[in-house]
Amino acid sequence: SQKIEQNSEALNIQEGKTATLTCNYTNYSPAYLQWYRQDPGRGPVFLLLIRENEKEKRKERLKVTFDTTLKQSLFHITASQPADSATYLCALGTGRRALTFGSGTRLQVQP
Amino acid sequence: GAVVSQHPSRVICKSGTSVKIECRSLDFQATTMFWYRQFPKQSLMLMATSNEGSKATYEQGVEKDKFLINHASLTLSTLTVTSAHPEDSSFYICSASDVNEKLFFGSGTQLSVL
Repeated sequence: SQKIEQNSEALNIQEGKTATLTCNYTNYSPAYLQWYRQDPGRGPVFLLLIRENEKEKRKERLKVTFDTTLKQSLFHITASQPADSATYLCALGTGRRALTFGSGTRLQVQP
Repeated sequence: GAVVSQHPSRVICKSGTSVKIECRSLDFQATTMFWYRQFPKQSLMLMATSNEGSKATYEQGVEKDKFLINHASLTLSTLTVTSAHPEDSSFYICSASDVNEKLFFGSGTQLSVL
């Protein structure tokens, strides 16, 4: 069956460290993968998009990698700050216009 | 980025009543909008794809008579939860995509059915 897996347990890190979140998928062949941030009681906010022919994408303190062989994307936040605390969702674009989302990983950055 | 406005942000209603949620794209035309549902600590589940001027496409297991979707203009889609019951209590989120496949989400509507 098709699955998108993100760590369900919260990730707690110290301010200034690099946070690394994982998104694994099975039985999908996504054309692209996206990462979103979601704060409690709010809709997700788009962060980064990476296509199947791209290995890595960066935006300010954010970096995303996409390994279609491992069927995995890693999302890094460098020099993390308490304001980065949120739930981060990965989403697959499979050719339909709607995205398929993982359940998200909650990140808590301690000051 | 594009702005999607969703109202109301929170609604509490009695069982058996109907609730309408509005989703507007404020600075772009959205021929397609998507309605998602999210339970606490769970993934966003696509309910339906709303197409301007035509019938919505519903995902498997989503009752079209229960969740009425109307997309009458390029900037407005509405979701009406008819005869709401406590099990319909959830967080409902709309979104619209731009030409670059990014999704812009509304702020969500927390529905509580008593």
